[in-house]
Parts: sequence; structure tokens; C-alpha cells
Amino acid sequence: DAGVTQTPRHEVAEKGQTIILKCEPVSGHNDLFWYRQTKIQGLELLSYFRSKSLMEDGGAFKDRFKAEMLNSSFSTLKIQPTEPKDSAVYLCASRSDRGEVFFGKGTRLTVV
Amino acid sequence: AQSVTQPDARVTVSEGASLQLRCKYSYSATPYLFWYVQYPRQGLQMLLKYYSGDPVVQGVNGFEAEFSKSDSSFHLRKASVHWSDSAVYFCAVSAETGGYKVVFGSGTRLLVSP
Repeated sequence: DAGVTQTPRHEVAEKGQTIILKCEPVSGHNDLFWYRQTKIQGLELLSYFRSKSLMEDGGAFKDRFKAEMLNSSFSTLKIQPTEPKDSAVYLCASRSDRGEVFFGKGTRLTVV
Repeated sequence: AQSVTQPDARVTVSEGASLQLRCKYSYSATPYLFWYVQYPRQGLQMLLKYYSGDPVVQGVNGFEAEFSKSDSSFHLRKASVHWSDSAVYFCAVSAETGGYKVVFGSGTRLLVSP
């Protein structure tokens, strides 16, 4: 089985740009999560989908961050417009029916 | 709201020594509890999980964790650490009233010295 696939692995954006991060969950997994990881804040939950329904829309991240689950095998995270403080590693994860969460390798975003 | 606290940002132990990494959760009911590890330049991997039953759960690579409802804790332990255990360890919680979202602690960076 392929794990969670995230693309791109690295992204450099200029302040104000729109970027779209992509995620393919493990086949058959119904739950999908987007997290942001920084050294200071740790892992922050951005969005959570359960069977393609949005369960958590990220609270403080709502204004510029939008996650979508276009189908059960593909999700995107759009950041619009980007700001330097968005520089972080963005992690996508999917959950099996047994409750185990599998993470992708992440996208490292640098906003200059 | 559910939350997880890992009070130790960094822990240093000597190779061969025993280890305990602390985790406290804040939740009224019994949540599902997890420990994850992130090795340098790698993704997060699950070490072990607790859903119910025996409060001591075994994980990979000799790790175990003990759930304590009275203390609201889920500490991770290992009897004898190896240098390859150096990594960042995350405690996580998931619960029904949170819609089963998974919330992570801030992580503990473990350094095993020779």
C-alpha cells in the first residue's frame, strides 16, 4: 500500500502569492487531517475531514487557509494570500478504520 | 476542549538508561491516546495507542505507555534507550465529543548521549 503522498515536498512563495498543497491519503481511509508544524507551535490542526465532510475548519486559520476534499482520494490546502509567518511544514494525514493515523512526509513552505 | 500537555521540551538520557516522557491530557471522558515519534528528516510514525482495557500498552521498539485516569496521564517509558531513539516524541488525544479530531502535544525532543 502506498502511504500518504504529499506534493510538492518543497515550495517557495513570495508574500501575497496563492499556493496550493496537495495530498493523497492512504487508499480506503475515510478521515483526513491537515496540520501545520513549526518549532515554536508544534503541530497545529488546520482542517479535519470525515468521509469528505469538513469537521474542523481550523479556527484562527480560517481567513486565509482553505482545505478541500475533492474526492475520497485527493485533498488540497490553499493558502491565499501567503505571508512570511506561514513558513512551516504542512503535514497531511489519513486515518484507518482502526484509528491509526498515517502521516505524509510533508511540504516545507518558505514564504519570502 | 481536549488538550495535551507535554511538560518537558527536551530530555537528555544516557544510552542504556531508562526513560519516561510525560504526557497529561485534559478531557472529562476517557479519550483515545497515542504516542508518535518523528526521527530526524522523517515523517511521524505511531509508536502505540490506547483505546481501552489494560492501562499498560506495548508499542514498537520496546516502548510502552501507561494510562492513568486518576492522573489524566499517558506517560511513555522504555527500560533501556539506544542512541537511535533520539527523536521528537508527540503525545496525542482523540475523543468522540471532539468529533474524533486528533490533537497533538508540543512534543519532547529526546537526546540519547553515548
